[in-house]
Amino acid sequence: GNSVTQMEGPVTLSEEAFLTINCTYTATGYPSLFWYVQYPGEGLQLLLKATKADDKGSNKGFEATYRKETTSFHLEKGSVQVSDSAVYFCALLLYGGATNKLIFGTGTLLAVQP
Amino acid sequence: DTEVTQTPKHLVMGMTNKKSLKCEQHMGHRAMYWYKQKAKKPPELMFVYSYEKLSINESVPSRFSPECPNSSLLNLHLHALQPEDSALYLCASSQGSGQVVHEQYFGPGTRLTVT
Repeated sequence: GNSVTQMEGPVTLSEEAFLTINCTYTATGYPSLFWYVQYPGEGLQLLLKATKADDKGSNKGFEATYRKETTSFHLEKGSVQVSDSAVYFCALLLYGGATNKLIFGTGTLLAVQP
Repeated sequence: DTEVTQTPKHLVMGMTNKKSLKCEQHMGHRAMYWYKQKAKKPPELMFVYSYEKLSINESVPSRFSPECPNSSLLNLHLHALQPEDSALYLCASSQGSGQVVHEQYFGPGTRLTVT
């Protein structure tokens, strides 16, 4: 089946530290891959996306590269800020015939301390 | 503009009440979605409308009744809910669905509490 596996949280970092949140996927076809972020008390915001192998998505200093050979889409940021504290969801989207369905990972809570 | 709006932001209702959640987008998207999110969990898909027709119902209990009056609006009618239905209800939209994969944009959600 199709699934997404994310690293367990919470991830606690000091400000300006390097961030990696691991994400791997299993899919029967060729998925598009996404990172969504959810700040406390809010909905999900699309952070970045990649639609084919070797694509790199980037936004607000975050990056992720679609690696087909390792079925991974790890999220990275060179220097985190307190304002990056949130839950991060990795997700895949497959063409499903009549419609498309997003499949989410379990989410990773990031806490950045000043 | 990638905005999806939802009202109300918070809702408290008793188990015998009838209420509705509303969602609106003006991006010209033709697919709209309802998700339910419990605390510390990812969103769970409930319903999908594609071109104003219901295309997916993820075996949701009949006490939840979706409606898509037009391509910009999506409602979720609630009746005789249970306390375990308390959750964050998220609406999303995407440019289309079917043969091309399009990213989904989410609204801020309605925090529902059933007493």
